[in-house]
Amino acid sequence: NAGVTQTPKFRILKIGQSMTLQCTQDMNHNYMYWYRQDPGMGLKLIYYSVGAGITDKGEVPNGYNVSRSTTEDFPLRLELAAPSQTSVYFCASRLRGYSNQPQHFGDGTRLSIL
Amino acid sequence: GQQLNQSPQSMFIQEGEDVSMNCTSSSIFNTWLWYKQEPGEGPVLLIALYKAGELTSNGRLTAQFGITRKDSFLNISASIPSDVGIYFCAGQLETSGSRLTFGEGTQLTVNP
Repeated sequence: NAGVTQTPKFRILKIGQSMTLQCTQDMNHNYMYWYRQDPGMGLKLIYYSVGAGITDKGEVPNGYNVSRSTTEDFPLRLELAAPSQTSVYFCASRLRGYSNQPQHFGDGTRLSIL
Repeated sequence: GQQLNQSPQSMFIQEGEDVSMNCTSSSIFNTWLWYKQEPGEGPVLLIALYKAGELTSNGRLTAQFGITRKDSFLNISASIPSDVGIYFCAGQLETSGSRLTFGEGTQLTVNP
C-alpha cells in the first residue's frame, strides 16, 4: 500500500527560485493537507482541501499556493523561495465523513533555501 | 488561532520507567490524537480519542480525553529504547475540514 507519497524527499533551492512539492494519495481520501515543521516545533497547517476544486488557507499560507484538480493529487507551490521557507513539509490525507478517521501522513520533503 | 501547550518539552528517562506527558488548550476539541515521529519520517498515529472522559490503551500506551475537552494526557508504561522519538498531541474539530492543531512535541530519550 503506497498511502501518501511525497516527492522529492530533499531539495535545495536558491532564494527567488520556484518549485512544486508533489503529494499524491491512493486511498481515495477527500481531505488533503499541507503542513510545515520547523526544527524543534510542531506541525503548522499551510493549506487544506476538502475535495477536488476546493482549497482553503490554514495557519501559515503566505508564500505558498495550492491546487486540487484531482482527488489523488495536492501539489504545493512556492513561487519565490525565501530562507524563512526552509522547513520539512508534510502532506496528509483523511477520509471525509467519519469522525474516527485519522489523518495519514507522508514521509516529508526536506527543503532548504540558500 | 488555537494554541496547544504540550509539556514537558523533553524527557530523559531510564529503561523501565513510566512516562507521562500532557496537552492543554484554550479551546475545546472534538477529537484528541497522539502521534509519534521518528527521525526522517512523518508522524504516525498512536491513539485517537473521540469522547470527553474517554480512556484508551494501545499496548503500553494509555491516553485520556479530558472532561472539559480542553486537555489530554499520554502515559507510556515500562519504557523501552524503541520508545525514543518525538510525541505530539493534536486537537481536531470536525468543522473547517477537520483541521489538526499540533502541540510543540515532547522529545523522549530512553537510556538502556
